Amino acid sequence: EIVLTQSPGTLSLSPGERATLSCRASQSVRSSDLAWFQQKSGQAPRLLIYGASSRATGTPDRFSGSGSGTDFSLSISGLEPEDFAVYYCQHADGSPGFTFGPGTKVDL
Amino acid sequence: QVTLRESGPALVKPTQTLTLTCSFSGFSLRSSGMCVGWVRQPPGKALEWLARIDWDDDKYYNTSLRTRLTISKDTSNNQVVLSMTNMDPVDTARYYCVRIRGIHLLMDVWGQGTTVTVSS
Repeated sequence: EIVLTQSPGTLSLSPGERATLSCRASQSVRSSDLAWFQQKSGQAPRLLIYGASSRATGTPDRFSGSGSGTDFSLSISGLEPEDFAVYYCQHADGSPGFTFGPGTKVDL
Repeated sequence: QVTLRESGPALVKPTQTLTLTCSFSGFSLRSSGMCVGWVRQPPGKALEWLARIDWDDDKYYNTSLRTRLTISKDTSNNQVVLSMTNMDPVDTARYYCVRIRGIHLLMDVWGQGTTVTVSS
């Protein structure tokens, strides 16, 4: 079973700064199976990035995903106030299912 | 517009069986490649996938919970039901229903979730 590790646990930044979040898989995964979700306080998660680098509908272009193999990253260029949230990476392998990372909190 | 809404008891006692219903609209579980899944989130903790049911009635379960979970669908009424037996206080969480689609299994639309507390 693939385990996802995210770092850092918390990222303290200010509006306008750049955020870089890391997601590491315990073994190599297909980029097509790696996604990122954003969860704001009190809300359901929202699909942000799929296929490691494709933005989902409605995702602003300040969000970008990259990586391959075991190392993936999510970057947010120029943090907006609404970007302060928890971000989860996810691997979908179909069988047995899905694995989420522990999350990275981006806060002020 | 695709929407999903979870419903079920807010409080269950230890050892009881939890039954949650996901009512959805804007898509059909008869469509090839369409799936519905359940994800839960204990307070202050990360997301955990529970189960998934596909358009062709294939079912998949979280390995560590599979003996306790049953997922089923009522395609005519656009509903998916998840049952979890032998509930324990550690199962206290917010439970989300989610649409999953495509060959890369994108969890692209989520319900708002329903909070379930397990306590005597």
